[in-house]
Amino acid sequence: NAGVTQTPKFRVLKTGQSMTLLCAQDMNHEYMYWYRQDPGMGLRLIHYSVGEGTTAKGEVPDGYNVSRLKKQNFLLGLESAAPSQTSVYFCASSQRQGREAFFGQGTRLTVV
Amino acid sequence: DQQVKQNSPSLSVQEGRISILNCDYTNSMFDYFLWYKKYPAEGPTFLISISSIKDKNEDGRFTVFLNKSAKHLSLHIVPSQPGDSAVYFCAATSWSGAGSYQLTFGKGTKLSVIP
Repeated sequence: NAGVTQTPKFRVLKTGQSMTLLCAQDMNHEYMYWYRQDPGMGLRLIHYSVGEGTTAKGEVPDGYNVSRLKKQNFLLGLESAAPSQTSVYFCASSQRQGREAFFGQGTRLTVV
Repeated sequence: DQQVKQNSPSLSVQEGRISILNCDYTNSMFDYFLWYKKYPAEGPTFLISISSIKDKNEDGRFTVFLNKSAKHLSLHIVPSQPGDSAVYFCAATSWSGAGSYQLTFGKGTKLSVIP
């Protein structure tokens, strides 16, 4: 019973490089989210999706793009990484929007 | 402007005693509140929630109290156990008006339960 799986778990990027973080959920949830967690800042919403083929901006969307081509997958892209994007990224999914969400184990990204 | 505030970054409690974690909010449109627990190097896990139409919800050792007039909620853990040592996040939901709900998190409180 995997729940929400994030790939990769760790990554180091050089400034200006691009990468994609993959999130997969096996609970048939409609809603999926990408958060970032920074020291002393709690969790902040980057982008979210209310269903296959839909995406929307959250609180801190700049510098990120997302896609939800399949219901079970939610991809987060960084086109040109910056040191300010050094963070821990969490993907989550939920059956009902704004209610109990299940989180992945996180991706620790360092941009040097 | 921080809408969900957890003013205590850390809390230490003796094993067997009660742990009380507090959360204040400013947005009167919040209608649902949740608590998450997070261990190091893991994702947050849902703990307990409460609707704004209630003032108490209990699940085993965990009880959440909501005081709407004071815009305050608290999480009580009785009795506290060493395995409860984690960071606890308070979160609140509101309708964004743009066709979606928004979940806003506090900054978290690190609970340490001392054996």
